[in-house]
Amino acid sequence: QLQLQESGPGLVKPSETLSLTCTVSGGSISSSSYYWGWIRQPPGKGLEWIGSIYYSGSTYYNPSLKSRVTISVDTSKNQFSLKLSSVTAADTAVYYCARSGGEVIDYWGQGTLVTVSS
Amino acid sequence: SYVLTQPPSVSVAPGKTARITCGGNNIGSKSVHWYQQKPGQAPVLVIYYDSDRPSGIPERFSGSNSGNTATLTISRVEAGDEADYYCQVWDSSSDWVFGGGTKLTVL
Repeated sequence: QLQLQESGPGLVKPSETLSLTCTVSGGSISSSSYYWGWIRQPPGKGLEWIGSIYYSGSTYYNPSLKSRVTISVDTSKNQFSLKLSSVTAADTAVYYCARSGGEVIDYWGQGTLVTVSS
Repeated sequence: SYVLTQPPSVSVAPGKTARITCGGNNIGSKSVHWYQQKPGQAPVLVIYYDSDRPSGIPERFSGSNSGNTATLTISRVEAGDEADYYCQVWDSSSDWVFGGGTKLTVL
């Protein structure tokens, strides 16, 4: 059974860079035809796609966040990562990592709350 | 960018049928997927490609998609169905797009 687990600091200061890692177990991140992505959910609000990375390394970002987002993959560790720069309080959210075969998101991590505050 | 519109809330009595809509421009030409999210938990896929159910999802959950509206239907609603429901599509310009979510309340 595939499992995804987010990890990273739960508190980030304004203007700094948020960094999260998703560790994949029960399957290879190098498996063909899968996208690995990040989705966030501000407290009490809906889901927002941040970006995705294809197994080949191609990246796709939400246009509204593109200038601040970098997603990368480390196949040797079976992990992929998110960096979001110049954060503000509006970036406070639960961040989920997820897998998709392209359209459908079939596996989600449990989510991790990141608070932006000084 | 592509926009999906859901009603903020839907209420239904136990045993009745709940219908949650998801509106989008010519959404019938896209594949719609639905997720259920209970408080403090990650979303769970309940319907994919408009009307398919993942294993383990009760037959009470069904979906349809035509024109400008997709619909998630939950028959014989139970208290355990109370949750937030999100529709989602893949769009060539916006990639993964989510609706704003609908809170289903079981009266």
